[in-house]
Formats: sequence, structure tokens, C-alpha cells
Amino acid sequence: DAGVTQSPTHLIKTRGQQVTLRCSPKSGHDTVSWYQQALGQGPQFIFQYYEEEERQRGNFPDRFSGHQFPNYSSELNVNALLLGDSALYLCASSLGGDSYEQYFGPGTRLTVT
Amino acid sequence: AQKVTQAQTEISVVEKEDVTLDCVYETRDTTYYLFWYKQPPSGELVFLIRRNSFDEQNEISGRYSWNFQKSTSSFNFTITASQVVDSAVYFCALRSLSGGSYIPTFGRGTSLIVHP
Repeated sequence: DAGVTQSPTHLIKTRGQQVTLRCSPKSGHDTVSWYQQALGQGPQFIFQYYEEEERQRGNFPDRFSGHQFPNYSSELNVNALLLGDSALYLCASSLGGDSYEQYFGPGTRLTVT
Repeated sequence: AQKVTQAQTEISVVEKEDVTLDCVYETRDTTYYLFWYKQPPSGELVFLIRRNSFDEQNEISGRYSWNFQKSTSSFNFTITASQVVDSAVYFCALRSLSGGSYIPTFGRGTSLIVHP
């Protein structure tokens, strides 16, 4: 049973660039949530996708956008990167548009220079 | 507004010691879930336990136990006879069940270091 997978593992970008992170949910899951975890902090909720729509959104600017595909996989896009966007980006999958029981992926470490 | 406070930034113990990780939360909601997650160096958050606000029974799972007290808004986590493999960052999280918002709030985490 495949768990949550994320790609790439690590990424280095320059300030002002754009980045796309990818997530495949656990088999059978239809909901994907994205979190940003800065160094030494807890994860912060970015948004959640269910039925290919953004259902919930945390306190993040519009530079953060996403997409969910018919196979439930998801992408997180960040435009106009800032140094402060450097963080571990975690993807979590669950069922039915809820976060009652989430399974997390290993994350993508983004460094903005 | 929701808030989760994990006042202990880092705890260092020697193997076989018992250790308690504190979690204090704030919410105006009467129905909510509380969670504990473990984050090993690999980065992946591992779910440990979920407790709803109506269930104040303490729970034990092997060497792990949890003490939920609504009167003090605390949900503490104890590891008995700690092992080196318990070394990780542990997060407490809160998720409201009312208002249609399912956005979870995490604490800043407690780094547990277990020395052999």
C-alpha cells in the first residue's frame, strides 16, 4: 500500500522565481492538504483540495496556489519566491474533504537564495 | 482563534527515563479534536493519537500514554522507559469541529533527545 509521496525531495530556487511541488496521496485517499513548516516551527496549513477544488485556505498570500488532478494528485505552486518561503513543504492526504485522519508525506525541502 | 502551546522547546533524557511532553491549547469551540504527531529526522509526520473533546479518558498504548484534562486545557504525552528511537520532534495539534473550518493548528513542537 503506497503511502503519500512527494517530489522533489530538495529544491533550490532564486528569489523571484516560481516553483511547483508535487504530491501523490495515499492509495484510496481523495483529499490533499498542504502545509509549510519553517525551521523550528510547527506546520502551518496552506490549503486543502478536494474534488479538484480548493476547499479550505490558511493565511497565505495568493502567490501560493494549487491544483488537484482527477487522479487526486496535487501540485503546489509558489510564484515570486521570497527568502521567507524557504521551508519544508508537507503534503497530507485524507478522505472525504476532511483532515480527521491525515497521512503525511516526507516533504519537499525548498531553499530560496 | 485557536492556539497550541508547547512550552518545552527541547528535552534531553537518558534511555529508560520517563518523559512527559506538555501541550496546552486555547479554543472557544466546545467540540474539537486534539492530536499528537511524531516527526523523526526524515521529516514525515507520524500520527500518534487523536482525542475528541467529549472523551476525557486517558489512553495508554504500549510505552505511550496521554492525559487529557479539559479543566486545564491540557493534553500531555508521556513516554515510559524512553528509547533512543523515541528521539524526534513531537507536535501537538488542535482542530475545531464547529464553524465549518477544519484548519488544524499545530504547536511549535518539542524536540526530544534520548541518549543511550
